[in-house]
Amino acid sequence: EAGVTQFPSHSVIEKGQTVTLRCDPISGHDNLYWYRRVMGKEIKFLLHFVKESKQDESGMPNNRFLAERTGGTYSTLKVQPAELEDSGVYFCASSQGRWNYGYTFGSGTRLTVV
Amino acid sequence: AQSVTQPDIHITVSEGASLELRCNYSYGATPYLFWYVQSPGQGLQLLLKYFSGDTLVQGIKGFEAEFKRSQSSFNLRKPSVHWSDAAEYFCAVGYSGGYQKVTFGTGTKLQVIP
Repeated sequence: EAGVTQFPSHSVIEKGQTVTLRCDPISGHDNLYWYRRVMGKEIKFLLHFVKESKQDESGMPNNRFLAERTGGTYSTLKVQPAELEDSGVYFCASSQGRWNYGYTFGSGTRLTVV
Repeated sequence: AQSVTQPDIHITVSEGASLELRCNYSYGATPYLFWYVQSPGQGLQLLLKYFSGDTLVQGIKGFEAEFKRSQSSFNLRKPSVHWSDAAEYFCAVGYSGGYQKVTFGTGTKLQVIP
């Protein structure tokens, strides 16, 4: 089966610009997660979708971040306007059914804000 | 709040030597514990997981981990390291009854020398 796909793989934008990251989960996986790793730090939870509904968005840093999952398939994460501290690697993961069986991660999007 | 500590940021071992990566988690009644590996340019791959039962769990690529409740630890081991094991390793914890997310440690970078 196809894995979790994220694009772009890299993005370099200027402070104040907008960037949209996309994640295509494994087909049929209802659960979709966004995580972020800032340089040298731990991978931090951002939010969790179950189908098209936000189950938990407690990790979203602020209202400059907007995540959507229309139709319960792919998801987008928009950062608007981007700030320097938003730089990092954004990971998407999906799981089918029980989360505690482990996620399947995408290879991440490396975002650099200059 | 749940937390994970990986005390070793960087470890260097010789090829063929044994390996142990340390992981301590914050106390929780029923932790779900995971080890993930990230090779350069790749996403995170699940190595193994522990929910309950036998405290020694086997994973892929010849890795194993032992859950020790008394020490709140879940250390990853491999008896003989291969050059292809060079990567970054992440320990993660989640808890039943809470939100469906895991908390990651800061990671341990493994370097393998000939």
